[in-house]
Amino acid sequence: DAGVIQSPRHEVTEMGQEVTLRCKLISGHNSLFWYRQTMMRGLELLIYFNNNVPIDDSGMPEDRFSAKMPNASFSTLKIQPSEPRDSAVYFCASSKGTPQETQYFGPGTRLLVL
Amino acid sequence: QKEVEQNSGPLSVPEGAIASLNCTYSDRGSQSFFWYRQYSGKSPELIMSIYSNGDKEDGRFTAQLNKASQYVSLLIRDSQPSDSATYLCAVAPGGSYIPTFGRGTSLIVHP
Repeated sequence: DAGVIQSPRHEVTEMGQEVTLRCKLISGHNSLFWYRQTMMRGLELLIYFNNNVPIDDSGMPEDRFSAKMPNASFSTLKIQPSEPRDSAVYFCASSKGTPQETQYFGPGTRLLVL
Repeated sequence: QKEVEQNSGPLSVPEGAIASLNCTYSDRGSQSFFWYRQYSGKSPELIMSIYSNGDKEDGRFTAQLNKASQYVSLLIRDSQPSDSATYLCAVAPGGSYIPTFGRGTSLIVHP
């Protein structure tokens, strides 16, 4: 069974450009998490969806960030406009049922904003 | 603000020794506790979860939970160089709440 799939795996862009990160959940999972990881701040939760509905977006840094879940198996995280301080590894994770269930992480997208 | 604290390390142990990783948390109402392992350049993967006070053993790994003192620990027996990684502690309150991750402890097991 395929795990969580993320694309792209690496992204290098220039400040001001729009960046779209993509995530495909594990089949049968109904919870979706977007995280950002940096050396300085560790692993931070950005947003949590359950059954396609955003439940907690308190971790979204600012209006430049937006996330959608157009169907039960797919999500996007968009940054517009991007800034150098957005450079990080962005992980998507999915779980079945409640958030306390095991989260399965995707391989991550390494984003570098120049 | 729910906080999860870990010593960043690195914790260096010789091969075959017991590695002890500790985590403290601020939310006394926390109900679920997780240990994730993250190899360099890879994504976190769950290795242990614990929900009740006491010890939980899985192979070479033992998770220990003390809710009164608000700490959870992970013991790795017979440490191997392949255990070298960053270990993330995650703590979730009861109900449908989201785990908060600590910043992780780097473990180095040297031959």
